[in-house]
Amino acid sequence: KNQVEQSPQSLIILEGKNCTLQCNYTVSPFSNLRWYKQDTGRGPVSLTIMTFSENTKSNGRYTATLDADTKQSSLHITASQLSDSASYICVVSEPGTYKYIFGTGTRLKVLA
Amino acid sequence: DAEITQSPRHKITETGRQVTLACHQTWNHNNMFWYRQDLGHGLRLIHYSYGVQDTNKGEVSDGYSVSRSNTEDLPLTLESAASSQTSVYFCASSESTSPNTGELFFGEGSRLTVL
Repeated sequence: KNQVEQSPQSLIILEGKNCTLQCNYTVSPFSNLRWYKQDTGRGPVSLTIMTFSENTKSNGRYTATLDADTKQSSLHITASQLSDSASYICVVSEPGTYKYIFGTGTRLKVLA
Repeated sequence: DAEITQSPRHKITETGRQVTLACHQTWNHNNMFWYRQDLGHGLRLIHYSYGVQDTNKGEVSDGYSVSRSNTEDLPLTLESAASSQTSVYFCASSESTSPNTGELFFGEGSRLTVL
């Protein structure tokens, strides 16, 4: 069972362009939704954390949105840079627990 | 700076051997986790601990064990390594104050190959 689905699986964009990554989840109820960035060969690093009552959260050029009604989240990257090349992972957790459900990620490649 | 470190970063072993992956964090976090990451799967929880002497099974715990004798360390042991356990293993830790907003910090990963 896949409770967190991400799309697209991979994406290639040119430096300076914007892009949006999608996350659909079926985890219910849920307490928070997180986006992580994972560089090749490294551990995931947190970008944003949103509780179910929040609908947007920004971290520099990264903006995450959440629609709890449709169980969808997106991560928008503005003015992409070569260093944005990485996998982006959506994570949902159940209320009152540290049990996190990870999506399989979107692999982003930014070209010069 | 506080950090979370894993060792070894790379290991090749043979089927049937016992393997231990180390995880050490200096944040004094009560919560520690072990995940494995495989192509086509999100990170999957192997074992976790909410404090000293506390250990719990995750969704893919068969063939793995952990022990928590102090706050800083949560070693992961593969009692008899199998080829299906070839994977990248990540250790993570978080504060215990709130699961809703607590940050989850990951180590750099340990790539294990079982031949």
